[in-house]
Amino acid sequence: DAKTTQPNSMESNEEEPVHLPCNHSTISGTDYIHWYRQLPSQGPEYVIHGLTSNVNNRMASLAIAEDRKSSTLILHRATLRDAAVYYCITMEYGNKLVFGAGTILRVKS
Amino acid sequence: DAGITQSPRYKITETGRQVTLMCHQTWSHSYMFWYRQDLGHGLRLIYYSAAADITDKGEVPDGYVVSRSKTENFPLTLESATRSQTSVYFCASSERSGGTEAFFGQGTRLTVV
Repeated sequence: DAKTTQPNSMESNEEEPVHLPCNHSTISGTDYIHWYRQLPSQGPEYVIHGLTSNVNNRMASLAIAEDRKSSTLILHRATLRDAAVYYCITMEYGNKLVFGAGTILRVKS
Repeated sequence: DAGITQSPRYKITETGRQVTLMCHQTWSHSYMFWYRQDLGHGLRLIYYSAAADITDKGEVPDGYVVSRSKTENFPLTLESATRSQTSVYFCASSERSGGTEAFFGQGTRLTVV
């Protein structure tokens, strides 16, 4: 699986959009891009995943660069409940799910 | 109830004892995973399983044993617990691996004294 690079931490104001970047320059053509988050004292929670096209769901949007070497998780309106560690993971079909260090997102009221 | 459950939620054991952490999922997902998370750190993969009777090592398998005789269960055994195995353990399952989401249990907090 390709290695991912994320900022250690980011800060956002409540009700504003948040763009969480992830670099995965060694991604292969069959690797999926997954995002999970972990709220304090809880298990990780799935956020979104994609392969080539941008993806939207009720939680967030995933923007994937045309060359697939980077992606951005977009939270459209951050709330205090979105404060968590966000993990970007690239993953081959049929392979294991390996977490990196993630980005700590702090949301200010 | 549908979902993935871990038991026990909390466990204190003594050094040298054998302890088994249980994980049960009700979806018949093919893939199951075990992770450990130490205070202030990320999740590290211990073992994973692609199907019943198929298991493989993750990043930190030493000191742990897994089995998967039934699709829905994936127990993790610490054969002889050490203090360094004090951690929070998370189990997860997914229908496939890669193109689908994984679901995580609430975790088991294990303390080895």
